[in-house]
Amino acid sequence: EAGVTQFPSHSVIEKGQTVTLRCDPISGHDNLYWYRRVMGKEIKFLLHFVKESKQDESGMPNNRFLAERTGGTYSTLKVQPAELEDSGVYFCASSQVWGTQETQYFGPGTRLLVL
Amino acid sequence: GDSVTQMEGPVTLSEEAFLTINCTYTATGYPSLFWYVQYPGEGLQLLLKATKADDKGSNKGFEATYRKETTSFHLEKGSVQVSDSAVYFCALHAGGTSYGKLTFGQGTILTVHP
Repeated sequence: EAGVTQFPSHSVIEKGQTVTLRCDPISGHDNLYWYRRVMGKEIKFLLHFVKESKQDESGMPNNRFLAERTGGTYSTLKVQPAELEDSGVYFCASSQVWGTQETQYFGPGTRLLVL
Repeated sequence: GDSVTQMEGPVTLSEEAFLTINCTYTATGYPSLFWYVQYPGEGLQLLLKATKADDKGSNKGFEATYRKETTSFHLEKGSVQVSDSAVYFCALHAGGTSYGKLTFGQGTILTVHP
C-alpha cells in the first residue's frame, strides 16, 4: 500500500511568488491534515479536511494560504504571495479513523525556501 | 491551550547507552499521547502511542508510559543503536473540539556514535 506522498520535495521561490504544494493521502483515508515546521521549531497544525470539507482551519496563519481538496482525494496548499517567514517544511498526514483510535500517517514533507 | 514540552537537544550517546527523552504536556481532558520519529531524509513515522493513563506504548525497543499525575510521557530505550539516530517528536491528540489535530513538541535530535 502506497503511503502519503507529497510534491514537490523541495521548492525555492522568491518573495512575492506563488507556490502550490500537493499531497496525495493513503487511498481510502477521509482525513487529511496539513502541518508546518518552521526553523527547527515545533510542528504546527494548519488545517484538517474530512473528505472535501474543511473540518478545522484554525491553524492557517493568514489569507495568503489557501487549501483545497476537490473530490476528497488529493489536496493542494497554495501560498500567494509567499513571504520570507513562510519558509519551512510542510507536512501532510492522513488517517482513516478520527478519534481516540486515530493514527495519522505522514508524508515526507515539502521543504519550502522563500528568498 | 494544549502544549507539549520536550527536553532540549541535541542528545549525543554512544552505542548501547541508555536513552531518555523527557516529554511533558498540558491539555484539558484526557489526551492521547504519541512519539513520532523522523529519520534522515524521511517523513515522520509513528513510533508508539498511549491512549489512556498508565498505558505503556512500546515499539522497536522504545517505551513510554502515560503518567497522568506528572503529565509526562518520557521516551526510553535501554540500549541505543547507531540506526536510532533521528529526530524524535512528542505529540498529543486532545480530541473533543480540537478534532484530529496533533500538538507537537519542538523535537529532539538524537545522534548515536559507534
